[in-house]
Parts: sequence; C-alpha cells; structure tokens
Amino acid sequence: QTVVTQEPSFSVSPGGTVTVTCGLSSGSVSTGYYPSWYQQSPGQAPRTLIYSTNTRSSGVPDRFSGSILGSKAALTITGAQADDESDYYCLLYMGSGVWMFGGGTKLTVL
Amino acid sequence: QLQLQESGPGLLRPSESLSLTCTVSGGSISGDHWTWIRQPPGEGLEWIGYVYYSGTTNYNPSLRSRVTISVDMSKNQVSLILSSVTAADTAVYYCARYQEWLHWFDPWGQGILVTVSS
Repeated sequence: QTVVTQEPSFSVSPGGTVTVTCGLSSGSVSTGYYPSWYQQSPGQAPRTLIYSTNTRSSGVPDRFSGSILGSKAALTITGAQADDESDYYCLLYMGSGVWMFGGGTKLTVL
Repeated sequence: QLQLQESGPGLLRPSESLSLTCTVSGGSISGDHWTWIRQPPGEGLEWIGYVYYSGTTNYNPSLRSRVTISVDMSKNQVSLILSSVTAADTAVYYCARYQEWLHWFDPWGQGILVTVSS
C-alpha cells in the first residue's frame, strides 16, 4: 500500500526559509492529488494553511506557500517566526474517494 | 461562522462500539461532505471516512469493515460508529467539513479524546 511521506522533523532559524515536502512511497505527487497542508499546535485542532496545491486559506500569512517541487508537494515558510513552531501535515487525494495524511513534520524554530 | 462540536463517551471497554456525534452550527450540513479524522496520542492524523449530506459514504480501506458514518439532517448532525474497539482505537477524534470542490477539510471541530481501556 502506498504511504504518504514527510520529513519527521525540521529546524529553522527565525527569519529563515524552510521547505517541508510531501511525497509518495511509490510514484510522484501531482496537482491531481490536490495536496493540502495543515498546521497543528500542541493540544489544538489542525488549522488549514494551503489547499489545492497552492491556495492559501483565509487569514493565512503570505509567508506560507504551497507548490509541487519535482515529485513532491511542498510547503515553504519564508521568514519563519517563533509561532510557526508546530506540527505540519499534508493530505493527499489517493483516488476512489480515499484521502491519506502524511506522517507529519515537527518544525522547530530556533 | 460554521462551527463543529464533537460529543460522546470518553471511555470505552475493549470490544464495545464507539459512537460519536458532530453537531454543526452556523450553517446547514446540506450540500457538503463531512469527514472524520483521528489522532492517537503523540501520533499523526488518520483519515477515517466521509459522508455526503445525501448519505453517500467513503471509508479508509483499513477501517472500512468497522466504520459507519451517517447524517441526521433534522438535527444537523454527523455521526461516527466504530465497532469492536481495541486500545489501538484510543485517539482524539475530529470532525470536519469536506468541501469536494475545493479539495479541503475545513473547518475542524476541537476534537474529543476517546480512551479504550479495560
């Protein structure tokens, strides 16, 4: 069975840029997988950041952007801030009405 | 503003059935899909399944044999039933609106912790 892969953890300096990726154990991610990205702070419900590859949800700062980089979906944070320290999850449409989350990436800002 | 609130028992015994309700306020469940997601303590998110307001469903293949998701239009509620639970089903359970035309899950409820323990 295909698995959605993410980096388990990442570290970025305040003001720096980081790209978190979302891939497949078999195959490439394209726009047809409708990748979306969710931010989750400890004890909180996930918050929608990006949907349909690169559309920002209402109220999301423009330092968050989504794209396809090579064979993966990507979430880029430009000018990271301390309150960006969270877990980030991608979600892909696998076809036939089935959705699958990535394992999540824990982002540290230090 | 659309708001979702999960409710149900917080503690179950192994082999019992989990039954949760998601109450939607600030809008109607008509016209949209509604989805359930869970997160075991300290772990990642897992998609459980969704229901269209008309009753059409789709489930995670790994849970399909034990899951039923349904809607109650009169109460503006979405329900989740998971049968024959084990400790592995201990998780925070979230409901969310799934807008198929936007391909996103939004908004989300705050979640409810369900613990399975003897």
